Amino acid sequence: SQQGEEDPQALSIQEGENATMNCSYKTSINNLQWYRQNSGRGLVHLILIRSNEREKHSGRLRVTLDTSKKSSSLLITASRAADTASYFCAHRDNFNKFYFGSGTKLNVKP
Amino acid sequence: DAGVIQSPRHEVTEMGQEVTLRCKPISGHDYLFWYRQTMMRGLELLIYFNNNVPIDDSGMPEDRFSAKMPNASFSTLKIQPSEPRDSAVYFCASSFLGAAEAFFGQGTRLTVV
Repeated sequence: SQQGEEDPQALSIQEGENATMNCSYKTSINNLQWYRQNSGRGLVHLILIRSNEREKHSGRLRVTLDTSKKSSSLLITASRAADTASYFCAHRDNFNKFYFGSGTKLNVKP
Repeated sequence: DAGVIQSPRHEVTEMGQEVTLRCKPISGHDYLFWYRQTMMRGLELLIYFNNNVPIDDSGMPEDRFSAKMPNASFSTLKIQPSEPRDSAVYFCASSFLGAAEAFFGQGTRLTVV
């Protein structure tokens, strides 16, 4: 399977703290993406990092990529209760199929 | 654009009945994906289409599952006959060549009793 693995599976933090989620994947990639899924909703694209990039920022999001270790991390700084959701890493292969990780369920307590 | 539209949002059916899930992709997108999400298996790719043609259906669990895309703006996923283990949330997503991301619908929560 080309699906990635994410850890932790679940993360519970207080509002204002930082949340870090990790993703490992198995194949070579052109880019890696992170998605967010609110309860009962579809996945929404958050940020993409290309294989030749090591770090990328978007607002309170910071993504890193280590292609030698086939891993990525998503950091959400100064978390808010509204950040409570599941977060998935994903990549698109050369056949244009999307593969998603197992997801990290984040709970931010107010 | 209204995004990817799926219907119904919720479906409760009895075992043995036929179930049809519907999807309207974003206009101009030439890739359409059907996913199934469960707690046990996560997000599984069932089948995907390119320009209305099925490209890979290796994720379709059984012959009870079938999918069609008669035109660029409509796709169906059918389960016949349905079984309780088919209970899951089914997502449709669309994209286009050159795009890195997939755009998801809100999903159909299927419960088979």
